[in-house]
Amino acid sequence: NAGVMQNPRHLVRRRGQEARLRCSPMKGHSHVYWYRQLPEEGLKFMVYLQKENIIDESGMPKERFSAEFPKEGPSILRIQQVVRGDSAAYFCASSRDSPSVSNQPQHFGDGTRLSIL
Amino acid sequence: AQSVTQLDSHVSVSEGTPVLLRCNYSSSYSPSLFWYVQHPNKGLQLLLKYTSAATLVKGINGFEAEFKKSETSFHLTKPSAHMSDAAEYFCVVSEGGGSYIPTFGRGTSLIVHP
Repeated sequence: NAGVMQNPRHLVRRRGQEARLRCSPMKGHSHVYWYRQLPEEGLKFMVYLQKENIIDESGMPKERFSAEFPKEGPSILRIQQVVRGDSAAYFCASSRDSPSVSNQPQHFGDGTRLSIL
Repeated sequence: AQSVTQLDSHVSVSEGTPVLLRCNYSSSYSPSLFWYVQHPNKGLQLLLKYTSAATLVKGINGFEAEFKKSETSFHLTKPSAHMSDAAEYFCVVSEGGGSYIPTFGRGTSLIVHP
């Protein structure tokens, strides 16, 4: 019974390169969320997707960041032209039902630690 | 609007003594409240969640939390700390309705001394 799978666990990029982070939700889950965590801070919401649709991207930076959740395959968080400030842990979570269903817990992956040289 | 405040950034206890991690929230609606635990280099694991059915919520690993509406609090407790409890703990509020994206507290680091 696999949980939320994220890869890679660690990713190192040089400034200006692209970073691609992947997330496979739990089996039976069609709702995916991406969060960013900076050292000694809580998680900050970035984007919420359902299959093939972006539902809420209010926490996503307007430039360089994009996310998708195709019909087949994992969800992808893409960061173009990375800068030092993008260094963080990026977590993906999934849920079976819509977050508008009350008391809906999210199940988290182990995250991708992104380091920008 | 919703917000959550974890009152202590670090809590230090001895093994076998009680644990208290404090959380206050604000919400315009009847909130959903959660506690998550994060061990080093791991994702967040759900400890417990509040439902309107009971104000005292029991979770995994002997943790429990009490919802107090009058105090807008949802403190996490455990009668006896274990070394394996050392981790980061996050209190989370979700209003539901039109604002369903959860808000995370900044976290409380629990240190357990032998």
